[in-house]
Amino acid sequence: SQTIHQWPATLVQPVGSPLSLECTVEGTSNPNLYWYRQAAGRGLQLLFYSVGIGQISSEVPQNLSASRPQDRQFILSSKKLLLSDSGFYLCAAGHLNTEAFFGQGTRLTVV
Amino acid sequence: AQTVTQSQPEMSVQEAETVTLSCTYDTSENNYYLFWYKQPPSRQMILVIRQEAYKQQNATENRFSVNFQKAAKSFSLKISDSQLGDTAMYFCASGQKLVFGQGTRLTINP
Repeated sequence: SQTIHQWPATLVQPVGSPLSLECTVEGTSNPNLYWYRQAAGRGLQLLFYSVGIGQISSEVPQNLSASRPQDRQFILSSKKLLLSDSGFYLCAAGHLNTEAFFGQGTRLTVV
Repeated sequence: AQTVTQSQPEMSVQEAETVTLSCTYDTSENNYYLFWYKQPPSRQMILVIRQEAYKQQNATENRFSVNFQKAAKSFSLKISDSQLGDTAMYFCASGQKLVFGQGTRLTINP
């Protein structure tokens, strides 16, 4: 089965600082990759979706960007963090219409 | 745009009771799958059950089953003989982009 590595688990960053969250996938090739943000006690908001290297679909306008430099690597970035970027970020990987596997998540607090 | 709606923010039942969580969706995809995920306090996402839209037979996994009404675009989850360990957030999801609903917080009381 697939394993999704996501780090760090927690992160506290000042407003205006850059961000880089990395997600790597083991156990499969050419997966669809996803970045989600989850507010406390709320649903998962799809931020970015990728079907292949260099192919990124942005689902909501925001202060974040994503890149997929390798088949099983997905990076979430920001040049300048805002307070509103705080939240729980989840990376997921899967194939069309099959189970998606999730990482452990990163709790980001912007102060 | 694809949407998934869960109209029950919270539900609470007694242990051993049966509970049904609601989900409706809208999609333009012809062949799609629907999913229910569970998120316990650890926040790890766990697949509960999956339904193929072109199959009329409702999916079942032990105590978990779905009521899939394709024409109504409805996909509810039934949990039978509920257990304390079923306490979690439950999310319905659909489509290639794996769009999620807002979730239902389910509490099983002893």
